[in-house]
Amino acid sequence: QKEVEQDPGPLSVPEGAIVSLNCTYSNSAFQYFMWYRQYSRKGPELLMYTYSSGNKEDGRFTAQVDKSSKYISLFIRDSQPSDSATYLCAMEKTSGSRLTFGEGTQLTVNP
Amino acid sequence: DTAVSQTPKYLVTQMGNDKSIKCEQNLGHDTMYWYKQDSKKFLKIMFSYNNKELIINETVPNRFSPKSPDKAHLNLHINSLELGDSAVYFCASGDNTEAFFGQGTRLTVV
Repeated sequence: QKEVEQDPGPLSVPEGAIVSLNCTYSNSAFQYFMWYRQYSRKGPELLMYTYSSGNKEDGRFTAQVDKSSKYISLFIRDSQPSDSATYLCAMEKTSGSRLTFGEGTQLTVNP
Repeated sequence: DTAVSQTPKYLVTQMGNDKSIKCEQNLGHDTMYWYKQDSKKFLKIMFSYNNKELIINETVPNRFSPKSPDKAHLNLHINSLELGDSAVYFCASGDNTEAFFGQGTRLTVV
């Protein structure tokens, strides 16, 4: 069993939809959680970085961590075609340690 | 089977030493990458190789030299290590649309 599970998609939504991206994990030692966005042929860029349980909001993006369920989510409100990319979750046990990545979910937002 | 594997997982070394980090992928991809993660968790690309040929070489000190003996391997050599080189380094392999990452190598220079 993989330590981090992420549905690879592809996920296709209409413009303006609310997108929900999710990862589950099996190791309760993970404490720091990240979401990266990767456009085709580009390197990943950090979207959100959260510690422990709770919500964090940044513009149209909200990251949610539920440690009791070992489940993290990224919500995108009012999705735009420019949001079309692959979204990777990642997590680490202590800050600055090695990351474990999900497989990435490919998202397409249709105009 | 691990798709992208890096060794060592952790590396602690003294300033001035020369060290290597190895990366291997079993995904059959033609392209491999090295990234450096900064203190704010951003991933910055350092090098990209396609089928053993260098195609991206971002502005990194020439103390860093990638070596690709075959398309399944991309090793990172670092000469004359400095304190500022301490970071987590990630190897990745990919195709045109996505990249698969190794778990990173935590390098600490003391």
